[in-house]
Amino acid sequence: DAEITQSPRHKITETGRQVTLACHQTWNHNNMFWYRQDLGHGLRLIHYSYGVQDTNKGEVSDGYSVSRSNTEDLPLTLESAASSQTSVYFCASSGQGGRSTDTQYFGPGTRLTVL
Amino acid sequence: QKEVEQNSGPLSVPEGAIASLNCTYSDRGSQSFFWYRQYSGKSPELIMFIYSNGDKEDGRFTAQLNKASRYVSLLIRDSQPSDSATYLCAVMDSSYKLIFGSGTRLLVRP
Repeated sequence: DAEITQSPRHKITETGRQVTLACHQTWNHNNMFWYRQDLGHGLRLIHYSYGVQDTNKGEVSDGYSVSRSNTEDLPLTLESAASSQTSVYFCASSGQGGRSTDTQYFGPGTRLTVL
Repeated sequence: QKEVEQNSGPLSVPEGAIASLNCTYSDRGSQSFFWYRQYSGKSPELIMFIYSNGDKEDGRFTAQLNKASRYVSLLIRDSQPSDSATYLCAVMDSSYKLIFGSGTRLLVRP
């Protein structure tokens, strides 16, 4: 069955370290998204991609980067982790690029703690 | 700043009752609206989407949309304890990004 996976599921790191969170989907979806979820803020968009080699900044992109070298993967990199980046990170994907009815499907999430 | 507003709750209803969850949004250009359910410690899962004014029914769930009032709601009939979760309203903006509300926590009492 097609699915979207994230790894690791839990990560503890130290301030200043570079961290990469993986997202992999097997639906052959064009669109992929990274969100963070914090108490009181709901889901906030970090970066998104509408296809290979396309990346865009979301609402809270500072300190994060992404790259899209193939359809299946959108890794999220924290260049120099900060305690404010402690959060739960969700990856999502949707199908047809530019269609307003496209549903986003979410991965299981990664809980990141920055000490 | 495009906004989606939800009452954080908790909304507490007895088993078997109708739960009514509400959401308002600011962007008049929004075309598509989604309701996600999120259990504690889990990822959001889609319940319904709606993009035309009026009602859309799927089993025990009914989504209602009023674009003139910028208001979307979710009704859950015959509420069950298993419906206890946080319900996220999401609105798709003109560049096909989802803007999420902070969610309403629903508690269904047995």
